[in-house]
Amino acid sequence: AQSVTQPDIHITVSEGASLELRCNYSYGATPYLFWYVQSPGQGLQLLLKYFSGDTLVQGIKGFEAEFKRSQSSFNLRKPSVHWSDAAEYFCAVGRGNQAGTALIFGKGTTLSVSS
Amino acid sequence: GAVVSQHPSWVICKSGTSVKIECRSLDFQATTMFWYRQFPKKSLMLMATSNEGSKATYEQGVEKDKFLINHASLTLSTLTVTSAHPEDSSFYICSARIAGELDGELFFGEGSRLTVL
Repeated sequence: AQSVTQPDIHITVSEGASLELRCNYSYGATPYLFWYVQSPGQGLQLLLKYFSGDTLVQGIKGFEAEFKRSQSSFNLRKPSVHWSDAAEYFCAVGRGNQAGTALIFGKGTTLSVSS
Repeated sequence: GAVVSQHPSWVICKSGTSVKIECRSLDFQATTMFWYRQFPKKSLMLMATSNEGSKATYEQGVEKDKFLINHASLTLSTLTVTSAHPEDSSFYICSARIAGELDGELFFGEGSRLTVL
Protein backbone atom coordinates (compact mmCIF):
# COMPACT_ATOMS: atom_id res chain seq x y z
CA ALA A 1 0.00 0.00 0.00
CA GLN A 2 1.10 3.50 -0.64
CA SER A 3 2.24 5.64 2.23
CA VAL A 4 3.60 9.08 2.87
CA THR A 5 6.08 9.91 5.60
CA GLN A 6 6.75 13.34 6.95
CA PRO A 7 9.65 12.83 9.35
CA ASP A 8 9.37 16.18 11.08
CA ILE A 9 6.40 16.63 13.37
CA HIS A 10 7.20 20.22 14.30
CA ILE A 11 9.64 22.73 12.85
CA THR A 12 10.40 26.25 14.03
CA VAL A 13 11.99 28.69 11.63
CA SER A 14 12.94 32.31 12.09
CA GLU A 15 11.11 34.79 9.95
CA GLY A 16 13.11 35.45 6.82
CA ALA A 17 15.00 32.19 7.03
CA SER A 18 14.72 29.42 4.48
CA LEU A 19 12.46 26.42 4.95
CA GLU A 20 12.52 22.82 3.86
CA LEU A 21 9.83 20.34 4.83
CA ARG A 22 10.57 16.73 4.13
CA CYS A 23 8.29 14.20 2.50
CA ASN A 24 9.00 10.62 1.48
CA TYR A 25 6.62 8.33 -0.30
CA SER A 26 6.47 4.65 -0.97
CA TYR A 27 5.35 3.66 -4.44
CA GLY A 28 7.07 1.89 -7.28
CA ALA A 29 6.03 4.05 -10.20
CA THR A 30 6.00 7.82 -10.52
CA PRO A 31 3.36 9.01 -8.13
CA TYR A 32 0.99 11.94 -8.16
CA LEU A 33 2.34 14.14 -5.36
CA PHE A 34 0.84 17.10 -3.58
CA TRP A 35 1.53 19.58 -0.82
CA TYR A 36 -1.35 21.15 1.08
CA VAL A 37 -1.40 23.75 3.83
CA GLN A 38 -3.99 23.91 6.60
CA SER A 39 -4.38 27.05 8.67
CA PRO A 40 -6.49 27.14 11.83
CA GLY A 41 -10.15 27.48 10.98
CA GLN A 42 -9.54 27.08 7.28
CA GLY A 43 -9.73 24.24 4.85
CA LEU A 44 -6.77 22.64 3.16
CA GLN A 45 -5.28 24.68 0.36
CA LEU A 46 -3.21 23.22 -2.45
CA LEU A 47 0.30 24.64 -2.61
CA LEU A 48 1.56 22.63 -5.55
CA LYS A 49 1.39 19.27 -7.29
CA TYR A 50 3.57 17.02 -9.38
CA PHE A 51 2.33 14.60 -11.98
CA SER A 52 5.15 14.40 -14.50
CA GLY A 53 7.70 16.49 -16.35
CA ASP A 54 9.97 19.01 -14.71
CA THR A 55 10.91 17.70 -11.31
CA LEU A 56 11.05 21.16 -9.78
CA VAL A 57 7.54 22.41 -9.25
CA GLN A 58 6.57 25.97 -8.46
CA GLY A 59 3.56 26.65 -6.30
CA ILE A 60 1.67 29.46 -4.72
CA LYS A 61 2.92 31.74 -1.95
CA GLY A 62 6.53 31.35 -3.06
CA PHE A 63 6.75 27.62 -2.37
CA GLU A 64 8.47 25.07 -4.55
CA ALA A 65 9.06 21.34 -4.32
CA GLU A 66 11.45 18.97 -5.98
CA PHE A 67 10.64 15.41 -6.94
CA LYS A 68 13.61 13.10 -6.52
CA ARG A 69 12.87 9.59 -7.68
CA SER A 70 16.16 8.18 -6.38
CA GLN A 71 15.30 9.33 -2.87
CA SER A 72 11.53 8.82 -3.09
CA SER A 73 11.20 12.35 -1.86
CA PHE A 74 9.15 15.42 -2.59
CA ASN A 75 10.47 18.09 -0.24
CA LEU A 76 8.83 21.48 0.05
CA ARG A 77 10.98 24.60 0.14
CA LYS A 78 10.66 28.31 0.54
CA PRO A 79 13.61 30.70 0.45
CA SER A 80 12.26 33.20 2.96
CA VAL A 81 9.55 32.38 5.46
CA HIS A 82 6.91 34.88 6.54
CA TRP A 83 5.05 34.82 9.84
CA SER A 84 1.86 34.09 7.93
CA ASP A 85 3.35 30.78 6.77
CA ALA A 86 2.85 29.30 10.24
CA ALA A 87 0.44 26.43 9.67
CA GLU A 88 0.13 22.67 9.26
CA TYR A 89 1.64 21.26 6.08
CA PHE A 90 0.60 17.98 4.55
CA CYS A 91 2.25 15.96 1.84
CA ALA A 92 -0.04 13.61 -0.06
CA VAL A 93 0.05 11.03 -2.82
CA GLY A 94 -2.70 10.07 -5.21
CA ARG A 95 -3.78 6.57 -4.35
CA GLY A 96 -3.04 3.92 -6.92
CA ASN A 97 -1.14 6.48 -8.93
CA GLN A 98 -4.30 7.23 -10.81
CA ALA A 99 -5.86 10.53 -11.63
CA GLY A 100 -9.20 11.20 -10.04
CA THR A 101 -8.61 9.09 -6.98
CA ALA A 102 -8.44 9.99 -3.32
CA LEU A 103 -5.31 11.32 -1.69
CA ILE A 104 -3.32 9.58 1.00
CA PHE A 105 -1.85 12.04 3.44
CA GLY A 106 1.22 12.12 5.63
CA LYS A 107 0.82 12.99 9.29
CA GLY A 108 1.71 16.58 8.71
CA THR A 109 4.39 18.99 9.86
CA THR A 110 3.55 21.92 12.08
CA LEU A 111 5.49 25.01 11.10
CA SER A 112 6.06 27.72 13.68
CA VAL A 113 7.68 31.00 12.70
CA SER A 114 9.64 32.95 15.27
CA SER A 115 10.35 36.65 15.04
CA GLY B 1 -11.04 28.72 -7.19
CA ALA B 2 -13.82 26.26 -6.63
CA VAL B 3 -15.51 26.28 -3.25
CA VAL B 4 -16.56 23.37 -1.09
CA SER B 5 -18.78 24.22 1.83
CA GLN B 6 -19.57 22.09 4.86
CA HIS B 7 -22.41 22.50 7.28
CA PRO B 8 -22.46 22.61 10.20
CA SER B 9 -18.99 23.86 11.06
CA TRP B 10 -19.33 22.43 14.51
CA VAL B 11 -21.94 20.38 16.28
CA ILE B 12 -22.40 19.00 19.76
CA CYS B 13 -24.73 16.10 20.32
CA LYS B 14 -25.67 13.61 22.96
CA SER B 15 -24.46 10.06 22.85
CA GLY B 16 -26.85 7.83 20.93
CA THR B 17 -28.18 10.50 18.61
CA SER B 18 -27.47 10.87 14.90
CA VAL B 19 -25.81 13.81 13.24
CA LYS B 20 -25.83 14.79 9.58
CA ILE B 21 -23.01 16.76 7.96
CA GLU B 22 -23.49 18.30 4.54
CA CYS B 23 -20.83 18.86 1.92
CA ARG B 24 -21.69 21.09 -1.01
CA SER B 25 -19.73 22.09 -4.07
CA LEU B 26 -20.92 25.65 -4.52
CA ASP B 27 -19.78 26.53 -8.00
CA PHE B 28 -19.02 23.25 -9.69
CA GLN B 29 -20.35 19.77 -10.11
CA ALA B 30 -18.65 16.83 -8.49
CA THR B 31 -19.39 13.24 -9.41
CA THR B 32 -17.08 12.08 -6.67
CA MET B 33 -16.51 13.43 -3.20
CA PHE B 34 -14.23 12.10 -0.50
CA TRP B 35 -14.79 12.09 3.24
CA TYR B 36 -11.88 12.29 5.62
CA ARG B 37 -11.57 12.18 9.36
CA GLN B 38 -8.87 14.12 11.14
CA PHE B 39 -7.82 13.35 14.68
CA PRO B 40 -5.99 15.93 16.81
CA LYS B 41 -2.40 16.31 15.64
CA LYS B 42 -2.96 13.53 13.16
CA SER B 43 -3.23 13.11 9.47
CA LEU B 44 -6.38 12.98 7.46
CA MET B 45 -7.74 9.48 7.29
CA LEU B 46 -9.78 8.62 4.23
CA MET B 47 -13.14 7.23 5.29
CA ALA B 48 -15.02 6.76 2.06
CA THR B 49 -15.48 7.76 -1.53
CA SER B 50 -18.89 9.16 -2.28
CA ASN B 51 -20.19 8.60 -5.80
CA GLU B 52 -23.14 10.51 -7.18
CA GLY B 53 -26.08 8.24 -7.72
CA SER B 54 -24.47 5.11 -6.36
CA LYS B 55 -23.30 3.57 -3.13
CA ALA B 56 -20.28 4.94 -1.37
CA THR B 57 -17.06 2.98 -1.22
CA TYR B 58 -15.79 2.65 2.32
CA GLU B 59 -12.23 2.19 3.44
CA GLN B 60 -11.24 -0.86 5.41
CA GLY B 61 -12.14 -0.51 9.04
CA VAL B 62 -14.80 2.16 8.53
CA GLU B 63 -18.24 1.04 9.64
CA LYS B 64 -20.63 1.72 6.81
CA ASP B 65 -23.65 1.33 9.05
CA LYS B 66 -22.33 3.96 11.43
CA PHE B 67 -21.15 6.45 8.84
CA LEU B 68 -23.90 6.69 6.25
CA ILE B 69 -22.96 8.53 3.09
CA ASN B 70 -25.41 9.76 0.51
CA HIS B 71 -24.49 11.57 -2.71
CA ALA B 72 -27.87 12.44 -4.09
CA SER B 73 -26.84 15.18 -6.50
CA LEU B 74 -23.77 16.48 -8.30
CA THR B 75 -23.34 19.20 -5.68
CA LEU B 76 -24.25 17.55 -2.41
CA SER B 77 -22.93 14.69 -0.34
CA THR B 78 -24.00 14.00 3.23
CA LEU B 79 -22.34 12.08 6.04
CA THR B 80 -24.60 10.87 8.81
CA VAL B 81 -23.00 9.62 11.99
CA THR B 82 -25.56 7.26 13.44
CA SER B 83 -25.88 6.47 17.14
CA ALA B 84 -22.91 8.67 17.85
CA HIS B 85 -20.61 7.92 20.74
CA PRO B 86 -17.83 9.98 22.30
CA GLU B 87 -15.22 8.10 20.30
CA ASP B 88 -16.83 9.46 17.14
CA SER B 89 -15.86 12.96 18.20
CA SER B 90 -13.56 14.25 15.52
CA PHE B 91 -13.02 16.70 12.70
CA TYR B 92 -14.67 15.55 9.48
CA ILE B 93 -13.55 17.00 6.18
CA CYS B 94 -14.97 16.51 2.72
CA SER B 95 -13.30 17.15 -0.59
CA ALA B 96 -14.30 17.21 -4.20
CA ARG B 97 -12.85 17.47 -7.66
CA ILE B 98 -14.50 19.21 -10.57
CA ALA B 99 -16.35 16.61 -12.62
CA GLY B 100 -14.35 15.51 -15.63
CA GLU B 101 -11.07 16.96 -14.41
CA LEU B 102 -9.31 13.79 -13.31
CA ASP B 103 -6.00 15.57 -12.87
CA GLY B 104 -7.64 18.51 -11.28
CA GLU B 105 -7.13 19.91 -7.84
CA LEU B 106 -8.96 18.34 -4.93
CA PHE B 107 -10.88 21.10 -3.14
CA PHE B 108 -11.51 20.77 0.57
CA GLY B 109 -14.26 22.00 2.79
CA GLU B 110 -13.42 23.81 6.00
CA GLY B 111 -14.37 20.82 8.07
CA SER B 112 -17.03 19.98 10.63
CA ARG B 113 -16.10 19.42 14.23
CA LEU B 114 -18.28 16.86 15.97
CA THR B 115 -18.33 16.57 19.74
CA VAL B 116 -20.35 13.76 21.24
CA LEU B 117 -21.13 14.10 24.92
